[in-house]
Amino acid sequence: QSALTQPASVSGSPGQSITISCTGTSSDVGFYNFVSWYQQRPGKVPKLLIYEVTYRHLGVSDRFSGSKSGNTASLTISGLQADDEADYYCNSKTSSTTWAFGGGTKLTVL
Amino acid sequence: VQLLESGGGSVQSGGSLRLSCAASGFTFGNYVMSWVRQAPGKGLEWVATINGRGVDTFHADSVKGRFTVSRDNSKSTLFLQMNSLRAEDSAVYYCTKDAFGGIVTNDFDVWGQGTLVTVSS
Repeated sequence: QSALTQPASVSGSPGQSITISCTGTSSDVGFYNFVSWYQQRPGKVPKLLIYEVTYRHLGVSDRFSGSKSGNTASLTISGLQADDEADYYCNSKTSSTTWAFGGGTKLTVL
Repeated sequence: VQLLESGGGSVQSGGSLRLSCAASGFTFGNYVMSWVRQAPGKGLEWVATINGRGVDTFHADSVKGRFTVSRDNSKSTLFLQMNSLRAEDSAVYYCTKDAFGGIVTNDFDVWGQGTLVTVSS
């Protein structure tokens, strides 16, 4: 069981926007600004999209954005494209010495 | 920038394995390095992290006391010593690099291709 909770799946049509949530507690997501997001396409290694809650990694499309409110971090993908179909994972610092990933969210582009 | 893992394989429950990760294309000693694993068909799990100088190490509760992360900066190589292996340790183990030098942020910007560890009971 992951310390961070993500929806198992989300879906959207091309051109739409979707948001994936990552819910923790006041001791992890709510306390630290070390939340990152990763995209993993089938058969590929994960790719860093967002770090420290809101910063886009080099070369990442500005269609991807991150935010946080209270104990929940969110990844928003705007202008959905077929190529965005993948698994998405959040990662957060959970204590002074530990980190954890969320369980992952499968994004389906309809 | 490249990370190349090795050392995976099949082992019986209770056995040991030592994973290695050879790094190239960047100043290895300037970066925090980590191991992340993924069981077949499952999600990502953070395993262990070590700072650039190798002084500070961090391990997930699920492997604490059984796994040890270390590094040899003179050889640009990261290691994971895995003892008392269990069936639930079966996974692809990825070597990862932090995006930024300095403090531990665990923003993993470079990933190796992974090495498969299979533990049979």
